[in-house]
Amino acid sequence: DAGVIQSPRHEVTEMGQEVTLRCKPISGHNSLFWYRQTMMRGLELLIYFNNNVPIDDSGMPEDRFSAKMPNASFSTLKIQPSEPRDSAVYFCASSLARTSGRFFGEQYFGPGTRLTVT
Amino acid sequence: QKEVEQDPGPLSVPEGAIVSLNCTYSNSAFQYFMWYRQYSRKGPELLMYTYSSGNKEDGRFTAQVDKSSKYISLFIRDSQPSDSATYLCAIAGGTSYGKLTFGQGTILTVHP
Repeated sequence: DAGVIQSPRHEVTEMGQEVTLRCKPISGHNSLFWYRQTMMRGLELLIYFNNNVPIDDSGMPEDRFSAKMPNASFSTLKIQPSEPRDSAVYFCASSLARTSGRFFGEQYFGPGTRLTVT
Repeated sequence: QKEVEQDPGPLSVPEGAIVSLNCTYSNSAFQYFMWYRQYSRKGPELLMYTYSSGNKEDGRFTAQVDKSSKYISLFIRDSQPSDSATYLCAIAGGTSYGKLTFGQGTILTVHP
């Protein structure tokens, strides 16, 4: 299996521009997670989906952030407009939720997108 | 108070040493406990996963959970330079089983 695929791996943009990050989860997984990692705040969950439906978006910092999952094999995280404080590494992770019980299972992370907003 | 507290280190040990990494948590409803390893400029990868209290061993790695103290540990025996990485504890359960709450991560360096 190719694992979780993210693109682009690096993104440098100017303040005010729109940024779109992309993620392809592991085939067969039914849960997808977007995280942000910074030195100051560590790894923070932004939003997660189960069966393409957003379950918890309480970690999305502002209305400038939005995420979609139009099908089981693709998700996007969009920032519009971008600001310098959005500079971070953004990770996508996927897992297979158990059919019994509610635990969403072990999460497998992609390589991340390093975003720099100048 | 953060839900999960982890000493960021850094921790530097000689090759062959026993390493102890720890986290404390505040919500007694947490039931699932994980350790992830993250190499520089890579995504975190799952190392160990335990449910409820007790120990779990996998090769040189042992994960320990003490729910009465709300304390989790990862022990690395015979540490190797290839173990140099950031180790993150992660916890799930409570009101939202789908959500992992991560510790800050401990930076470990094992020098030859």
